[in-house]
Amino acid sequence: GGIITQTPKFLIGQEGQKLTLKCQQNFNHDTMYWYRQDSGKGLRLIYYSITENDLQKGDLSEGYDASREKKSSFSLTVTSAQKNEMAVFLCASSRDNANTEVFFGKGTRLTVV
Amino acid sequence: GQQVQQSPASLVLQEGENAELQCNFSTSLNSMQWFYQRPEGSLVSLFYNPSGTKQSGRLTSTTVIKERRSSLHISSSQITDSGTYLCARGNAGAKLTFGGGTRLTVRP
Repeated sequence: GGIITQTPKFLIGQEGQKLTLKCQQNFNHDTMYWYRQDSGKGLRLIYYSITENDLQKGDLSEGYDASREKKSSFSLTVTSAQKNEMAVFLCASSRDNANTEVFFGKGTRLTVV
Repeated sequence: GQQVQQSPASLVLQEGENAELQCNFSTSLNSMQWFYQRPEGSLVSLFYNPSGTKQSGRLTSTTVIKERRSSLHISSSQITDSGTYLCARGNAGAKLTFGGGTRLTVRP
């Protein structure tokens, strides 16, 4: 088995601040994802990366940047945090970009004050 | 329109009762997955089940592709089963579209 590690677990930012969330996986998976979950709602895809150095926009990419620095890591940047924003950001990975099982990290909980 | 619909939105059980959670898809299905979301937010994959029936302990997942639906059956529920259950369909690969979830509460 493997594990997906997200850092930090909790992130408090100020309005307008640029914030970076990090994700590492040791599955040796090709494809990685960033999802956002708002309170009481389902997950929505922000960005994904099919392989190292690849970047694809999801349904919710506006306001975010992403970077796949190497196969095992995928970071997400909130370019300008919105006041009173609260959400959980979940990183995930899968063996490839075909129809295959997806595994998730434990999440980063963002609060903007 | 909404591609993945889950029902019920919430469910309260007495410990020991069984539960049936449903997931319906508006378009044809390539793959689907059931997840359990812990109260603190982490997601655990329960089943990757594109078709047919899979069982793991007290949990059984059945996906019927022709009918565009999947169900999750929990038998003899326990208090520790409480949490949110999410289903998701795969779109053009492993990208997932999630349903709104079923929030399960199991009482002693």
